[in-house]
Amino acid sequence: GQQVMQIPQYQHVQEGEDFTTYCNSSTTLSNIQWYKQRPGGHPVFLIQLVKSGEVKKQKRLTFQFGEAKKNSSLHITATQTTDVGTYFCFGYPGKLIFGQGTTLQVKP
Amino acid sequence: NAGVTQTPKFQVLKTGQSMTLQCAQDMNHEYMSWYRQDPGMGLRLIHYSVGAGITDQGEVPNGYNVSRSTTEDFPLRLLSAAPSQTSVYFCASSYSGVSGGDTEAFFGQGTRLTVV
Repeated sequence: GQQVMQIPQYQHVQEGEDFTTYCNSSTTLSNIQWYKQRPGGHPVFLIQLVKSGEVKKQKRLTFQFGEAKKNSSLHITATQTTDVGTYFCFGYPGKLIFGQGTTLQVKP
Repeated sequence: NAGVTQTPKFQVLKTGQSMTLQCAQDMNHEYMSWYRQDPGMGLRLIHYSVGAGITDQGEVPNGYNVSRSTTEDFPLRLLSAAPSQTSVYFCASSYSGVSGGDTEAFFGQGTRLTVV
């Protein structure tokens, strides 16, 4: 079936290190969205990518959409303790499907 | 601004009981959806609606019913609760009525359900 896979599932980094999570779809996506969920909270929208090869930045966060519109990545430069949480990609391969999420832990 | 409101926040049910999780949004969004979140499984789509009177199944619809009589409300009904339905449930809404994936989704605070 249609799937959106996200890796890694967990990542522990030292504060100041970089972090990347990857999202891969078995089918072409119309667009992809990224959400962040703080521990005990609800998902909150970060960004949407629509165009093939699109790159967007939000301060220390860089989002990319693959040329084939089947994969995406979120890169955080110089992580901070405020980056702790689970990051989800959210694709539309016919139905709105979430990736499994990457939980980021940051050690101060 | 209320946004998406879910009630209750916490619920404990006995196996076989039924209940309705409420979801209401005040943003006039056409698209509404229900997800369940389990450890290591991410958010899985249960049911969704692209407008009043229209609903469809998601990835894991078994054991759940929905209806959409108004734009604002999208209740989720558990017909006969089972321990496997212990989870955190999130309701979400977004503006787009066609795909639902064109615009930002707003999530409720979640309902933490335990079935014993």
